[in-house]
Amino acid sequence: AQTVTQSQPEMSVQEAETVTLSCTYDTSESDYYLFWYKQPPSRQMILVIRQEAYKQQNATENRFSVNFQKAAKSFSLKISDSQLGDAAMYFCAYRRRWGSQGNLIFGKGTKLSVKP
Amino acid sequence: KAGVTQTPRYLIKTRGQQVTLSCSPISGHRSVSWYQQTPGQGLQFLFEYFSETQRNKGNFPGRFSGRQFSNSRSEMNVSTLELGDSALYLCASSPEGDYGYTFGSGTRLTVV
Repeated sequence: AQTVTQSQPEMSVQEAETVTLSCTYDTSESDYYLFWYKQPPSRQMILVIRQEAYKQQNATENRFSVNFQKAAKSFSLKISDSQLGDAAMYFCAYRRRWGSQGNLIFGKGTKLSVKP
Repeated sequence: KAGVTQTPRYLIKTRGQQVTLSCSPISGHRSVSWYQQTPGQGLQFLFEYFSETQRNKGNFPGRFSGRQFSNSRSEMNVSTLELGDSALYLCASSPEGDYGYTFGSGTRLTVV
């Protein structure tokens, strides 16, 4: 069975600084999707960034980028120029690519605090 | 473009009762998934519906059920509520063939 592990329950960053959130996963499949979701106190899960495993290039979305290491099964999220609005729970998630019976498998989350 | 709408936002029920939660996906999205979020277990997959058919189910007891209507709106039902069913229930929708799920704001269920 696939598993997703986020080893940092909490992280803190100074405003305008850079922070990296870690995620590792375990799967026997070669093709899959990886996601980072943000959940602010409003509760809505917001997609931050996604990565297709067959793409070697790391995904980037504005201040958010990932370091995808397929062999190491590692998928970290880097937030540059941190802003107060980045404070939230961040969840790493995995989904198999093929087959209709796929669903998101989430890590336990990392709570990010941003200090002014 | 309207997002995923979940109703109600909050719900308080008594043990033994049953509850129905509603989810309206983004227009054009035919896949709807449900997740349960608790502090202890985190986010766990409940089930997924596509074109009114359940095509994937998580490891939850039969008290948890769902359905999807022809307009893609989905409901989930929990019967004989237990205290442990207290959780945030999240619904997500996606277009066919794309796994960029969009989530709603959830329904916070409290069982007393």
